[in-house]
Amino acid sequence: DIQLTQSPSSLSASVGDRVTITCRASRSIADYLHWYQHKPGKAPRLLIYAVSSLRSGVPTRFSASGSGTDLTLTISSLQPEDFATYYCQQTYSVPWTFGQGTKVEIK
Amino acid sequence: EVQLVESGGGLIQPGGSLRLSCAASDFTVTGTYMSWVRQAPGKGLEWVAVIYNNDATDYADSVKGRFTISRDNSKNTLYLQLNSLRVEDSAVYYCARVEPKTWYGMDVWGQGTTVTVSS
Repeated sequence: DIQLTQSPSSLSASVGDRVTITCRASRSIADYLHWYQHKPGKAPRLLIYAVSSLRSGVPTRFSASGSGTDLTLTISSLQPEDFATYYCQQTYSVPWTFGQGTKVEIK
Repeated sequence: EVQLVESGGGLIQPGGSLRLSCAASDFTVTGTYMSWVRQAPGKGLEWVAVIYNNDATDYADSVKGRFTISRDNSKNTLYLQLNSLRVEDSAVYYCARVEPKTWYGMDVWGQGTTVTVSS
């Protein structure tokens, strides 16, 4: 199984801060890496697919990059509505797996 | 509006069975990939199962042999049959559409249905 390890597990940040979340895969997952935002009581939301493709309707302050086993999600200027938990996910091979999540909290 | 609505969750005793439903609107579950994902209390997202466009299926090891994913084309509904339930199966269960054009990202999600396994 492919393991995805996110870091940090949580972070505190202020509105306007630049935030970076890392996802490391236990082996190469090509372009089959996606990022989701999840708020309590809500459905998860696909933000980025195929490593770096911004989904239509997602604000451009969200971006992602990486290759092979090291992937990164960046929020360029944190907004109040961005406080949530973020997950990476691989769909390169079954079982599809998620990272453990990164909780972004208000400082 | 493209939408998924889950139902069927509830309180069930260990060893019991439950069937979750996921009704789709404005797209057909036929011929597309659909998946179930769960989140146990205080835990992260866990992938559970997928049904492919050819009706083949795959499961997480933790549910293999106990859960069955299926769909009813006439009702445009996805199902997850949960058998031999364990306390550790307690979670919010989400259904999601898997979009091949996004390298199999999950682009539409339901709001979730809660399963509680307890005696």
